[in-house]
Amino acid sequence: NAGVTQTPKFQVLKTGQSMTLQCAQDMNHNSMYWYRQDPGMGLRLIYYSASEGTTDKGEVPNGYNVSRLNKREFSLRLESAAPSQTSVYFCASKGRGNTGELFFGEGSRLTVL
Amino acid sequence: GQSLEQPSEVTAVEGAIVQINCTYQTSGFYGLSWYQQHDGGAPTFLSYNALDGLEETGRFSSFLSRSDSYGYLLLQELQMKDSASYFCAVKDGSGGYQKVTFGTGTKLQVIP
Repeated sequence: NAGVTQTPKFQVLKTGQSMTLQCAQDMNHNSMYWYRQDPGMGLRLIYYSASEGTTDKGEVPNGYNVSRLNKREFSLRLESAAPSQTSVYFCASKGRGNTGELFFGEGSRLTVL
Repeated sequence: GQSLEQPSEVTAVEGAIVQINCTYQTSGFYGLSWYQQHDGGAPTFLSYNALDGLEETGRFSSFLSRSDSYGYLLLQELQMKDSASYFCAVKDGSGGYQKVTFGTGTKLQVIP
């Protein structure tokens, strides 16, 4: 059981380049999330998707776009990367029910030069 | 919007008890969660409170007071492996019920 899988795990970009972070979950969860975490800081919500076909902005959506391709997959795209987007990106998913539990991927470490 | 406040760092002795507090402001509160994150790792779920009171899971307990917009995580019989960052997170109703916002985290150092 893979849980939440993120690719790539590491990426180095130059300013202005674009890239897409992929996330897939195999737990049949409805809700999926993208967070970024900067050194010594908490997780800041970029975008989330409460169900297939819907997406909503979080705290720090500027510079990012998302696609909820199907129930399993939720991708995050940086159209024109900036050094301020250097961060660790975590994808997470949550099923129905009232446990509040998010399942996280291992993270994608992105450096923008 | 939402905001959560936690102490940035806490140091405690192995075998002791430590409490990590969290105060929150949110427009539509549904529950408070706690997560643990070791350096270089992903956050892992510890506990969840939707109603007032204490929830116990082994050495960890979590408390919620909705009227005070306050919760805490209690770690008992501290072990060296408990050295990690701990995050509270609120699930709120604005924007579709499933939005989850994290605090800035508390770095716990357990010393011998």
